[in-house]
Amino acid sequence: KQEVTQIPAALSVPEGENLVLNCSFTDSAIYNLQWFRQDPGKGLTSLLLIQSSQREQTSGRLNASLDKSSGRSTLYIAASQPGDSATYLCAVRRGDSGGGADGLTFGKGTHLIIQP
Amino acid sequence: EAGVTQFPSHSVIEKGQTVTLRCDPISGHDNLYWYRRVMGKEIKFLLHFVKESKQDESGMPNNRFLAERTGGTYSTLKVQPAELEDSGVYFCASSQDWGSPGTDKNIQYFGAGTRLSVL
Repeated sequence: KQEVTQIPAALSVPEGENLVLNCSFTDSAIYNLQWFRQDPGKGLTSLLLIQSSQREQTSGRLNASLDKSSGRSTLYIAASQPGDSATYLCAVRRGDSGGGADGLTFGKGTHLIIQP
Repeated sequence: EAGVTQFPSHSVIEKGQTVTLRCDPISGHDNLYWYRRVMGKEIKFLLHFVKESKQDESGMPNNRFLAERTGGTYSTLKVQPAELEDSGVYFCASSQDWGSPGTDKNIQYFGAGTRLSVL
């Protein structure tokens, strides 16, 4: 059964710092991995999707890496801003050779606060 | 282009009552998913539709939950009768495709969710 763990559970840093959020998963047979952000009372916004064959994806100040064999992904945020404050969620989809359901398996998220 | 929309945004009902949640996916998305998050837990998958067919309903907690997607457009999730432990946020998501390797067509787009409170 796939399990996704996100560390840290919460993080508070001053504006301008670079930071890394971590995600690990127990079954390396994944199809893809998605990073989301969720603002209070809002839905999930997809940030980046990494296919199982890819090593990283970039979008603006965000860079996500994937090491499938070790079951890890990181989300790097450069030059953090107060508007980056949100909960960041990592989710994996099982691969064709993996067991489990069709849907995404989520971690509990990292609650990020960027101090002005 | 409209995103995934869910109705209502918040529902408060008493134990034993029936509630129906609705999800309108992004136009043209054949794949529709239901998820939920109960207090303090991670978001968990409930089921997956491809058009009007249930592709995978392995995450449905019990037979008090019934999901439909008539005509392959919008979907409803009915809880009957509701229990206290059903309280949480119910999310709907849609994607253009599900099995296209190496493309962004698999990206799942989420709605804002329906917060269900069972008293």
